[in-house]
Amino acid sequence: DADVTQTPRNRITKTGKRIMLECSQTKGHDRMYWYRQDPGLGLRLIYYSFDVKDINKGEISDGYSVSRQAQAKFSLSLESAIPNQTALYFCATSRSSGEKLFFGSGTQLSVL
Amino acid sequence: RKEVEQDPGPFNVPEGATVAFNCTYSNSASQSFFWYRQDCRKEPKLLMSVYSSGNEDGRFTAQLNRASQYISLLIRDSKLSDSATYLCVVNGGGSYIPTFGRGTSLIVHP
Repeated sequence: DADVTQTPRNRITKTGKRIMLECSQTKGHDRMYWYRQDPGLGLRLIYYSFDVKDINKGEISDGYSVSRQAQAKFSLSLESAIPNQTALYFCATSRSSGEKLFFGSGTQLSVL
Repeated sequence: RKEVEQDPGPFNVPEGATVAFNCTYSNSASQSFFWYRQDCRKEPKLLMSVYSSGNEDGRFTAQLNRASQYISLLIRDSKLSDSATYLCVVNGGGSYIPTFGRGTSLIVHP
């Protein structure tokens, strides 16, 4: 089984719908991150969490919210999806500051 | 100025060639550095950590130049399977948030 699991792998939705992307990990890491990737723009940080009680906005948090339900789970929500949120979304974890990242397989989200 | 910058390429090289990529970073307090490889629409995978003394793993060599604030990745004897996007990641400078460059595309042709 994968150490970092994202669900769903693909999602097509309509403008205005509420969407939740889920991420769970079995690595026991405290740090979790949500990134989005658009062609030519690399990975941009949406939100990150250093432990269950810690949530921080990243570079592009507008239109998104997160929930850290447990050390192992970090969910990303789009309250009212819009077409420019169509992107590839990655969840990642790390053991501590400055350490390498472990990624989920990604969620391709399309907002029509 | 973007925190982490990479030439997007593509770098189009024949098999067997040597190719090098650079990645510049703006925060002089950055502490850790990595190269990741990403295949099309797949998750990034760690290629190498970059140490101050430089490090080598087979055909791949990574180096850090703190004075000029860049890291480099050298690939020798390129293989078709090296075709991918190479992402530079920089950590530290207070927040210790991993920041990605936009990636450099490498295409190795026969």
